[in-house]
Amino acid sequence: QITLKESGPTLVKPTQTLTLTCTFSGFSLSTSGLGVGWIRQPPGKALEWLAVIYWNDDKYYSPSLNNRLTIAKDTSKNQVILTMTNMDPVDTGTYYCAHRPQVGAGHAFDIWGQGTMVTVSS
Amino acid sequence: DIQLTQSPSFLSASVGDRVTITCRASQGIYSYLAWYQQKPGEAPKLLIQLASTLQGGVPSRFSGSGSGTEFTLTISSLQPEDFATYYCQQFNSYPLTFGQGTRLEIK
Repeated sequence: QITLKESGPTLVKPTQTLTLTCTFSGFSLSTSGLGVGWIRQPPGKALEWLAVIYWNDDKYYSPSLNNRLTIAKDTSKNQVILTMTNMDPVDTGTYYCAHRPQVGAGHAFDIWGQGTMVTVSS
Repeated sequence: DIQLTQSPSFLSASVGDRVTITCRASQGIYSYLAWYQQKPGEAPKLLIQLASTLQGGVPSRFSGSGSGTEFTLTISSLQPEDFATYYCQQFNSYPLTFGQGTRLEIK
């Protein structure tokens, strides 16, 4: 059974760097084709894709946030880490990580974590 | 970036109704489209990928169709548990964009 869980601070100050960890079980990110992505959702608004990392360490980012995001994996710990610099109140929202079973275009994010709420405020 | 536009943004319907939600892409994406359902306070749930492939465990009243730039999600007979927000997402190219969502409410 695949599970993912996000963790990190619930409150960050403007200009600070946010670090979120996705800890997963039921699969290994060393398995060919697999990926883990991050998606966020401001309160009452739509989903926004942020980044994805694959088993071979290929990484893709949202261009609107590219210069603020870094995604990395720790295969030994079954974790994917997302950092976002220069946080702003508009970054407030729920952050989800999700499993992508294959890198091919036919494959969506099939299993999601419960999400973690992050508030940006001084 | 590929823009996805869902219509309608809001839909009011009754139990037993047949409803259709449309997702239009700003450029062709073959069949590389997924549909998710999200209920308040919950994570999104994958319903359909590759435009029409139903995920395991998803009721057969849900169906998807389309290719290229126009896609539809149809619920053949609404059940009380179907009232939620629905999102489409494209996987043709990065960034992996979402539609703005369609909120389905009970009439």
